[in-house]
Amino acid sequence: GENVEQHPSTLSVQEGDSAVIKCTYSDSASNYFPWYKQELGKRPQLIIDIRSNVGEKKDQRIAVTLNKTAKHFSLHITETQPEDSAVYFCAASGGSNYKLTFGKGTLLTVNP
Amino acid sequence: DTGVSQDPRHKITKRGQNVTFRCDPISEHNRLYWYRQTLGQGPEFLTYFQNEAQLEKSRLLSDRFSAERPKGSFSTLEIQRTEQGDSAMYLCASSTWDTRTPYGYTFGSGTRLTVV
Repeated sequence: GENVEQHPSTLSVQEGDSAVIKCTYSDSASNYFPWYKQELGKRPQLIIDIRSNVGEKKDQRIAVTLNKTAKHFSLHITETQPEDSAVYFCAASGGSNYKLTFGKGTLLTVNP
Repeated sequence: DTGVSQDPRHKITKRGQNVTFRCDPISEHNRLYWYRQTLGQGPEFLTYFQNEAQLEKSRLLSDRFSAERPKGSFSTLEIQRTEQGDSAMYLCASSTWDTRTPYGYTFGSGTRLTVV
């Protein structure tokens, strides 16, 4: 089955700096790669996703890049703000059921 | 509220008791998923439904677990003879399709189960 590795497990940045979180996946059939933000005690919320026919997608301060050959994808957050502090999960999905396989998460702390 | 609803939000039960959780997906979504999340981990897939048909179950879903989705609407997840290891957040998600990939994959707020 699919295996998703996520790094780093914790990331601390100063407000205004950029943050990058990287994930690798194992199943070459995966074709959908969402990123979720989860605040303590709350539901995972989709912040951006990318499909395998696209190499990069951007939404304001958030961007995701996908390298299908290398089987890795990354989340980029620019001009970080304290409210960006949360746990971020990457996930990969493919095949007929489209279940999501998640990474273990990255705790992002943005220091004011 | 047009999001995914889960009930109850919290459940504390004694070991050995049975519990049942409910999920109401977004109405136009035909796919419904159950995940389990333990502290410090990402959600793990348990099972999913397309309309009323349960199409896949994870090996994490032991014989004590059963899920239903009658009439392709809401779903229930029942755990029989609960064990302390069942303590986790149980998340429900729903989605629809767009060009052969999931669209609008949305999670509910979850049911936090504590087995004492």
